[in-house]
Formats: sequence, C-alpha cells, structure tokens
Amino acid sequence: GEDVEQSLFLSVREGDSSVINCTYTDSSSTYLYWYKQEPGAGLQLLTYIFSNMDMKQDQRLTVLLNKKDKHLSLRIADTQTGDSAIYFCAVRTFSGAGSYQLTFGKGTKLSVIP
Amino acid sequence: DTEVTQTPKHLVMGMTNKKSLKCEQHMGHRAMYWYKQKAKKPPELMFVYSYEKLSINESVPSRFSPECPNSSLLNLHLHALQPEDSALYLCASSQDEGTGGVDGAFFGQGTRLTVV
Repeated sequence: GEDVEQSLFLSVREGDSSVINCTYTDSSSTYLYWYKQEPGAGLQLLTYIFSNMDMKQDQRLTVLLNKKDKHLSLRIADTQTGDSAIYFCAVRTFSGAGSYQLTFGKGTKLSVIP
Repeated sequence: DTEVTQTPKHLVMGMTNKKSLKCEQHMGHRAMYWYKQKAKKPPELMFVYSYEKLSINESVPSRFSPECPNSSLLNLHLHALQPEDSALYLCASSQDEGTGGVDGAFFGQGTRLTVV
C-alpha cells in the first residue's frame, strides 16, 4: 500500500519561510493535499495539487511536486505565529473496486518562534 | 457553505452506554466519511459512504455502527465501547468517493470522545 512520510517537527522564526516536506511511494497517485490541524480542532484543507502539475501557488502557500522523486513540499512565506499547527500531507490512492482513499503522513508539527 | 458540522463536540460515555455522533454537510457532497484520530497520530479511515450506501468498512469493530439517513447526514452509533476507543472522531465529505475529488475532503471539527 501507499506509504507517506513526513518529518515530525519544524521550528522557524516569525517572518521566515517554512518548508514542510513529504515523500510518498505510489507513483500512480493523482491528487496530493496539504491539511492543517490546530490543537483540538479538525483538519482544514489548505491546498491540493494534481499530479500533472509541478507547482501551485496560493497567496503565502507554494506547493512543489517532484513526481520523479515522489516528493511534495509546502512552503509558507512570511510565517506567522498563527501558522503554528500540525500539517498533514495526504495522497489520494486507489483502494480497489473503483474507490479511492486518502493516505495521510504522520504530520509535521510547525512551531513558530516570535 | 463549506462547513461540515459535528455534534457533540465532546462526549464522555461509560462502557455500557449507547450514544451517537452526528455529522451534517450542505455542500451537496455525495461521499461522507468517518475517521478516528488518536493523539499525535494521523486520521485513520473507518467508513466511507457513497451516495448513501456504505462502500468501505476498514474492518471496524461492530461496536461502531454507521448510518447515513440521507445525503446530508451521517451518524456513528456507539455501543459497549472500550477505553482504548477514546479518540477524536472526525467526519468528512467530498464531491465523490475519491476521499478527495478535485477539491479534497472537507473535515468537521470532530467529536472528542472519552470512554470511562
């Protein structure tokens, strides 16, 4: 099955850029997502990228996809204290019988130092 | 309206109790999901409903019983739970059964369940 890996922790200073990395194993994955989870809350869909794209930008967020290396990254420009949260990479994978499911990485805890 | 609403936000129940978690969305999504999330872990898929029919059951114990009364509502009935079932239960919805579709799955805020 699909395996999605992320580093567990990242610490940055306020105003700097944050880069959260993710690797996956299933080369047939078509949609890749980034979710944000604040303490005690549900998951907020931040952005997604389709596998035929290399880059997607949405305000402070930039997603880069290297399909050859199966590597996905999320860059947050001008990181703010409100960006402190756990960020999950998720990959859409085929689960058989015409259905798909999301496979999540373990999540990267981003800590922003004021 | 891009919200998935879950009730209650918190629930404490004894091992002999019967309770239900509720989830509602009005985005016209035809796929709805239950996930379980333990502390410091990613969400784990439990059930998928597509067009009000159960399409995926990830070998979940029968003490968890899902129900989809209509395309906007999803329930999770709980009975005879164990303390290890304590977790955050998340509901999600998406346009199709791709647990993503193009726009991704939208999650509710979750129900924090404690079994005593």
